[in-house]
Amino acid sequence: NAGVTQTPKFQVLKTGQSMTLQCAQDMNHEYMSWYRQDPGMGLRLIHYSVGAGITDQGEVPNGYNVSRSTTEDFPLRLLSAAPSQTSVYFCASTLRTGGSEKLFFGSGTQLSVL
Amino acid sequence: EDQVTQSPEALRLQEGESSSLNCSYTVSGLRGLFWYRQDPGKGPEFLFTLYSAGEEKEKERLKATLTKKESFLHITAPKPEDSATYLCAVQAARRYSTLTFGKGTMLLVSP
Repeated sequence: NAGVTQTPKFQVLKTGQSMTLQCAQDMNHEYMSWYRQDPGMGLRLIHYSVGAGITDQGEVPNGYNVSRSTTEDFPLRLLSAAPSQTSVYFCASTLRTGGSEKLFFGSGTQLSVL
Repeated sequence: EDQVTQSPEALRLQEGESSSLNCSYTVSGLRGLFWYRQDPGKGPEFLFTLYSAGEEKEKERLKATLTKKESFLHITAPKPEDSATYLCAVQAARRYSTLTFGKGTMLLVSP
């Protein structure tokens, strides 16, 4: 029962490098989202998707791109990494049943930008 | 702008010492208030969703309540395994499946 799978778990980048954080879910959920978590701050929404081919910006989208070509995958791309993007990144997938919603989170990717 | 404030930032309890965590919120049209538990190095784990003032939900030693301005997470007779960071989040009626989180309360329960 995999749920939400994020890779890699840890990554170190140099300023200016690009990379993609992978997120996959096997629950056939339409809604997926990316959050970042920084010390002393709450989780903040980066981008989200309400289905394949549909994405939108969250609270802190600058420097990140997303795409949603399939229901299962929702990768997050860092275009040109900056030290301010050092953070822990969480992908979430949403179960919607009736009028209720429940977000399932992956185990996170810890990113350091030097 | 939606806002969530959690207090205290950190709480240390002795095993068996009951207490409450607070979550104050402002949101334009509350769709749901969520409580999550987060262990070090892991993603948040869902505990409860509350939808309307007066609603209560329980799970083992945890009980969540909701008013129009705040939510409480009551912990009865906690055990060391209850040690974790507890996160509160709100979902506005206009924003499907995206949450605004508080900074969390770090709970440590000593044997």
